[in-house]
Amino acid sequence: EVQLVESGGGLVQPGGSLRLSCAATGFTFSTYWMTWLRQAPGKGLEWVANIKGDGGERYYVGSVEGRFTISRDNAKNSVYLQLNSLRAEDTALYFCASHVNWAFDYWGQGVLVTVSS
Amino acid sequence: QSALTQPPSASGSPGQSVTISCTGTSSDVGGYNFVSWYQQHPGKAPKLMIYEVSKRPSGVPDRFSGSKSGNTASLTVSGLQAEDEADYYCSSFAPNNNYVFGIGTKVTVL
Repeated sequence: EVQLVESGGGLVQPGGSLRLSCAATGFTFSTYWMTWLRQAPGKGLEWVANIKGDGGERYYVGSVEGRFTISRDNAKNSVYLQLNSLRAEDTALYFCASHVNWAFDYWGQGVLVTVSS
Repeated sequence: QSALTQPPSASGSPGQSVTISCTGTSSDVGGYNFVSWYQQHPGKAPKLMIYEVSKRPSGVPDRFSGSKSGNTASLTVSGLQAEDEADYYCSSFAPNNNYVFGIGTKVTVL
C-alpha cells in the first residue's frame, strides 16, 4: 500500500524558513517523479514543484522560484521542500504526491504552513 | 500561467449525470493530452479520478469519464451517487514543465 506522510509544518514569521519532509512507502520511490502542491485555506490546488526520480530535473511555479528548493534522498525514500523568505501568501496546506503519466496519483494528507507575525 | 476556468458549482439528482468543463488555452489544455481530474472531499486529500484526458486509474468507477475538445476538457459523472458530492479540480501540463489547476467545481447531489 502506498503511503506518503508529510511533516515539518508550523507557524513561521514572514521572511522565515521551514523544511517540509515527505516519507514514502509502498512503491519503488527512486523511479518516480515526486511533487509538492499546496492549497491555501478555502482555496483551490496549486502545483508548487516537482523532481525527477534521480533528482536530475527540478521545476518550480514562478511564484516560488528562488525561494523554495525541492530535493530528495532516495536512500531514505523521502522528498523535501525547503521554504525560504516566506510570505503571508505562502500560508497553505502543503501536500506531497507521487507523479506518473503527467498526473498526481497518490497524495499525502498534507502539512500546514502558516506565515504570520 | 493563469488558472484553468471551471464553473464554481454543478448539481444533479441521484442517478442523473453532471458534466464539468475546464477551459484553458492552446498552451496548456489544448496543447497536450495531459489533463487530469481530482476529487476532494472536505478535509481530505485529493484523489486522482482521470488522467491523460480520459483514462481511469484502477479502482475509479466507470461512472467517471473524461474528454477534451480544443482548449476545453470535460469530466462527466454518470449515475450520480451521494458520495460523488465533492470538489472537483482539473489540471493540465503547461509550458516550462509546469502544471496548472482549475479553480475547482463544487458538485452537489440534490
